[in-house]
Amino acid sequence: DVKVTQSSRYLVKRTGEKVFLECVQDMDHENMFWYRQDPGLGLRLIYFSYDVKMKEKGDIPEGYSVSREKKERFSLILESASTNQTSMYLCASIHSARGNGYTFGSGTRLTVV
Amino acid sequence: GENVEQHPSTLSVQEGDSAVIKCTYSDSASNYFPWYKQELGKRPQLIIDIRSNVGEKKDQRIAVTLNKTAKHFSLHITETQPEDSAVYFCAASSGGYQKVTFGTGTKLQVIP
Repeated sequence: DVKVTQSSRYLVKRTGEKVFLECVQDMDHENMFWYRQDPGLGLRLIYFSYDVKMKEKGDIPEGYSVSREKKERFSLILESASTNQTSMYLCASIHSARGNGYTFGSGTRLTVV
Repeated sequence: GENVEQHPSTLSVQEGDSAVIKCTYSDSASNYFPWYKQELGKRPQLIIDIRSNVGEKKDQRIAVTLNKTAKHFSLHITETQPEDSAVYFCAASSGGYQKVTFGTGTKLQVIP
């Protein structure tokens, strides 16, 4: 079974901390994405990557950065966590030839206090 | 960039009735329209998709229609069942890097 694995299901961090969210996929997908999900706002794209070491800003990149050093791993970094970054974060991946839509990870619920 | 609007935000139907969720998109270059279902506490999963060269697609009790001229697309669920209760997201993509823009979601409740 293909998988996208997010390292943490729940995280609680303090304001100002640097936070790392990790995502690993085992499907040899080129394209990987980070979304945040908030009630009433749907899924909003933060960053995406279409190849190793390549990254592109999504719709809401402010306060975030990403790293893609290996094809299977895409990390989201909150440089200095703030309370308005409390959210559910979802990682997704898809093959460049576009198969059966995104495969999502199970999500990381981040609370910044 | 692309903007996808989705209505209604909540929808309650009696078991056995039909449910319709509607979306509009802004980018005329969009050519791929997937629908995702997210059950409570679970990850979104693709349930059906349609490409711009097709006007309608069916898969058992679900169907999607696309009106390119009006930039509308809709999800139709017939003979709803309690297990259809979930949040449904529409999305649109113009193809670059398979990046999609999601709607805000519709919470569907099927009342037994």
